[in-house]
Amino acid sequence: TQLLEQSPQFLSIQEGENLTVYCNSSSVFSSLQWYRQEPGEGPVLLVTVVTGGEVKKLKRLTFQFGDARKDSSLHITAAQPGDTGLYLCAGEVLGQNFVFGPGTRLSVLP
Amino acid sequence: KAGVTQTPRYLIKTRGQQVTLSCSPISGHRSVSWYQQTPGQGLQFLFEYFSETQRNKGNFPGRFSGRQFSNSRSEMNVSTLELGDSALYLCASRPGQGALGYTFGSGTRLTVV
Repeated sequence: TQLLEQSPQFLSIQEGENLTVYCNSSSVFSSLQWYRQEPGEGPVLLVTVVTGGEVKKLKRLTFQFGDARKDSSLHITAAQPGDTGLYLCAGEVLGQNFVFGPGTRLSVLP
Repeated sequence: KAGVTQTPRYLIKTRGQQVTLSCSPISGHRSVSWYQQTPGQGLQFLFEYFSETQRNKGNFPGRFSGRQFSNSRSEMNVSTLELGDSALYLCASRPGQGALGYTFGSGTRLTVV
């Protein structure tokens, strides 16, 4: 059974601060996705990474996939209140379903 | 194009009853997956359907079942509801099994009383 861990579990910061959240596993994944979920809605896909060591940037968000494809990080620069939400990572084992981490609940205060 | 549509959005059922939830995927998406989300367990995989066939199944009791129709629409059914079945049930679609990443619906919030 694949298990994904995320840290921190909760994070409350002021607008303008930087932050990093982590996603770790003992399993190797063929791809890894990051999602953001807002209350009462389904998760929304932010990015997919597939190559070990890959770095992707989406405006103020930077995603990195570990060299061994077992871990990933999400860095947000100059956080804004609109970044508030539950951040989920999900790993895929080829040919099987996605396994989701428990999430990091981020609150950005104005 | 239209997103993933789940109906109903909210549902209250009594313990012992059964319930059917519906999901219409994005047009052209043939793979539909279902997840249960609870505060304690997070997102737990229920099953995935592709071209009307169940491809993967999570570790849930047989009370949880699903199906997919020829137009890719999917339903899931939970029989003999228990209080612990209260959760947000999320449907997600993707073009095919090899496609990366899901598009999720807004979910059905099921409350069992």
